[in-house]
Amino acid sequence: DTGVSQDPRHKITKRGQNVTFRCDPISEHNRLYWYRQTLGQGPEFLTYFQNEAQLEKSRLLSDRFSAERPKGSFSTLEIQRTEQGDSAMYLCASSPAVSSYNEQFFGPGTRLTVL
Amino acid sequence: QKEVEQNSGPLSVPEGAIASLNCTYSDRGSQSFFWYRQYSGKSPELIMFIYSNGDKEDGRFTAQLNKASQYVSLLIRDSQPSDSATYLCAVNDYGGSQGNLIFGKGTKLSVKP
Repeated sequence: DTGVSQDPRHKITKRGQNVTFRCDPISEHNRLYWYRQTLGQGPEFLTYFQNEAQLEKSRLLSDRFSAERPKGSFSTLEIQRTEQGDSAMYLCASSPAVSSYNEQFFGPGTRLTVL
Repeated sequence: QKEVEQNSGPLSVPEGAIASLNCTYSDRGSQSFFWYRQYSGKSPELIMFIYSNGDKEDGRFTAQLNKASQYVSLLIRDSQPSDSATYLCAVNDYGGSQGNLIFGKGTKLSVKP
């Protein structure tokens, strides 16, 4: 399978706990994006990496959220002190460096439920 | 606030008909435009992108772009029940982070056998 992969696919946690999600992009893609999607809405941008550099963070990304891409390959998204409002599908997408149009390919997502 | 607007639907068409999905965007500087298909409970799947005014065809799908009117559409010919999904329009935000996408809320399409 050469697509974007995400782990875990589902996560149920209690309010106040920390959670971490992983994304493995398509191997030759150097751009990696995190989005969040809630029911009835389109995906909303959270943050963007080009190689290992985090180049942009959305205002949606509060101080409880942190993302890393330590070697320019996989990325992790951590949410500290989870709140019920964090319940959503967390989507990772990657895009090839050679593309001028930045078409993005999504992984299967991690569905987070905060009780 | 950059916005992408779509009619939420549901849009219902009979099998074999043409489904027409529409999208408008607010940022005149937008340069590339994407259509994603999303089945219930699944992640978005890229089906087409377009960057020049006019039409772009790929199989049963045709994307149409009119930058002057800030309008992009997706036509699905010979609609099949398997096309029933939510279709998301997305616009590349070059003014922001060098390319994150701004999505509409999606149009739910139902193709009736």
